[in-house]
Amino acid sequence: GQNIDQPTEMTATEGAIVQINCTYQTSGFNGLFWYQQHAGEAPTFLSYNVLDGLEEKGRFSSFLSRSKGYSYLLLKELQMKDSASYLCAVRDGDYKLSFGAGTTVTVRA
Amino acid sequence: ETGVTQTPRHLVMGMTNKKSLKCEQHLGHNAMYWYKQSAKKPLELMFVYNFKEQTENNSVPSRFSPECPNSSHLFLHLHTLQPEDSALYLCASSLIPASEGTEAFFGQGTRLTVV
Repeated sequence: GQNIDQPTEMTATEGAIVQINCTYQTSGFNGLFWYQQHAGEAPTFLSYNVLDGLEEKGRFSSFLSRSKGYSYLLLKELQMKDSASYLCAVRDGDYKLSFGAGTTVTVRA
Repeated sequence: ETGVTQTPRHLVMGMTNKKSLKCEQHLGHNAMYWYKQSAKKPLELMFVYNFKEQTENNSVPSRFSPECPNSSHLFLHLHTLQPEDSALYLCASSLIPASEGTEAFFGQGTRLTVV
């Protein structure tokens, strides 16, 4: 089975940096994903890590440590539109994605 | 436009009704999924279809019945639901076998309310 933990809520100021942590315990591992979900909308893919290290994509970066069962999503230069839920998901095998409960990020002006 | 389209977007049904949710993808993917999203809970994987064959059924009650007529279309037939089944039902698709970049794409979901 899978056990994926992430904080429930985080608040930050526009222009700041926020780091969302995710820890996992899984029976199999074939990649870790981060998704963004605005209220009432589909989750959209943000990043993918399968090897240890940092992946950078513009203002968003994601880090993975497989030995520690740990990942984080780093959001830089926060904008109001970044207010959303961020979902950490671990893939087991070819297709089975297990999700954390999501972290709701609120960006204040 | 996410490439995965779900209809209807909202559905209110009584406990004795029968309804169906529809999902369609035009991404050339060969795997399709149904997830249930309840408030403050992780997305729960319900069913997986790989090339039209059901490969996963996560102990879902029989009042939920999936159908996958081809690799582009997926249905979820609902009957005699309970109020606790009220949730957002998300469809997703991906490519199998998985490799870098084969992330799942999600539809916008159907907000289901059982009264």
